[in-house]
Amino acid sequence: KNEVEQSPQNLTAQEGEFITINCSYSVGISALHWLQQHPGGGIVSLFMLSSGKKKHGRLIATINIQEKHSSLHITASHPRDSAVYICAVSQGGSEKLVFGKGTKLTVNP
Amino acid sequence: NAGVTQTPKFQVLKTGQSMTLQCAQDMNHNSMYWYRQDPGMGLRLIYYSASEGTTDKGEVPNGYNVSRLNKREFSLRLESAAPSQTSVYFCASRWSGVPGLDEQYFGPGTRLTVT
Repeated sequence: KNEVEQSPQNLTAQEGEFITINCSYSVGISALHWLQQHPGGGIVSLFMLSSGKKKHGRLIATINIQEKHSSLHITASHPRDSAVYICAVSQGGSEKLVFGKGTKLTVNP
Repeated sequence: NAGVTQTPKFQVLKTGQSMTLQCAQDMNHNSMYWYRQDPGMGLRLIYYSASEGTTDKGEVPNGYNVSRLNKREFSLRLESAAPSQTSVYFCASRWSGVPGLDEQYFGPGTRLTVT
C-alpha cells in the first residue's frame, strides 16, 4: 500500500462544478502539500498545510490530522483548472517528500 | 528571479551513452532534489542534497550520480543510459529552514528518451 493515496485517479467535470480531490496518508507528517502540474509539465506548489484550512482564490485545502486525510476543493471550476493535482507529505525532520500518484482533472466548457 | 532552471529540455540518447542534466536555482536555497516521473507513478526521488557539499540517495538512485557543484547548481549524471531511464526528470529546491515546513520549487523538467 502506498503511503499517500489519492482519489479519484481521473475526474471529468463541467465548467462551473464544485470539485473535490481526496488524499489519505498512512504516516505521521509535519506538513501536507498540494501541487499542480499543467499539461505543459511544469509543477507548482498550491498549498502547504499542517492543520485546518487554507484558501487561495477558488481553491480550498483542508486537512484532518486525526483522520490522516486532506481534501482539495475547487469552486466554480473552469477549463483552465484542467491539470494533474498531486498530494505530497513531508515527515518531521526529513528532507524528503512522499508523493501520491496524482489526480488528472479535466474541466469541459 | 529565474527560479529553478534545467537544461536540456529534451534529449534522446542511445543505450550506453552518457549525459549530464544540469539544474540551477537563484533563490539561495539550501536543499536541492532530482526526481523522475513515469506514467502511472508518482514523482520518485533519485538523489537530494541538503546543503552544499552533501548528497544522499533517494528512492531510485541506481544508474545515476550527482554533484552539488556549489549552492546554486546540482547536476545529475547518467553514466551508461538504459531504456528504463526513459522518463521526465525534475529538479527542485527549497530553503529548508525547518525540514518539512517549506515548499519545494520545481524546474520545468527534462524529457529524456533512451533508445
